Amino acid sequence: SQTIHQWPATLVQPVGSPLSLECTVEGTSNPNLYWYRQAAGRGLQLLFYSVGIGQISSEVPQNLSASRPQDRQFILSSKKLLLSDSGFYLCAWSRTGGTEAFFGQGTRLTVV
Amino acid sequence: QKEVEQDPGPLSVPEGAIVSLNCTYSNSAFQYFMWYRQYSRKGPELLMYTYSSGNKEDGRFTAQVDKSSKYISLFIRDSQPSDSATYLCAFYSNSGYALNFGKGTSLLVTP
Repeated sequence: SQTIHQWPATLVQPVGSPLSLECTVEGTSNPNLYWYRQAAGRGLQLLFYSVGIGQISSEVPQNLSASRPQDRQFILSSKKLLLSDSGFYLCAWSRTGGTEAFFGQGTRLTVV
Repeated sequence: QKEVEQDPGPLSVPEGAIVSLNCTYSNSAFQYFMWYRQYSRKGPELLMYTYSSGNKEDGRFTAQVDKSSKYISLFIRDSQPSDSATYLCAFYSNSGYALNFGKGTSLLVTP
């Protein structure tokens, strides 16, 4: 069966510090991978998606970047965090050509 | 017009009630319809998945799709306190690459 791991679960970082959130998927090959941010009252905002190694598409210009160094690994990064980067970050995967997405447990990021 | 509209609630019902959750959408290209359940501080989990108009039942849950009206619903029978969560509708089109989500409806089932 397929599983998705996302860590850490919670993170408190000072403004201006770097960020690295990691997500890995097990039990499948060549998944589509997604990073979402969820803010209160704003729903799920798609940040990045990837259909293959090294292939990253950005949905929203911002202070964040994503990388996919391996087939089942997706990383969300920032060089300098802003207060506005606080939120609940979710990694998700779907099968190639699939429709439904499966989510990790999320990382609650607080920038102070 | 937003692509997906979903009443955020909160919706509070007594245990045992029938719950009706709804979403409307404007994009005719949406062909796949999903409902996710999200508990507080957790990731969303897929609850129901439908493709065609009509009803799909899974235990206490029934998903209903009306493509002509661009309207989908999720019904929960005999609601339980454990059903208290946020419910998100989601849509997918073959011309897209990711799901389009509603903002979610917060449901509270009181004992």
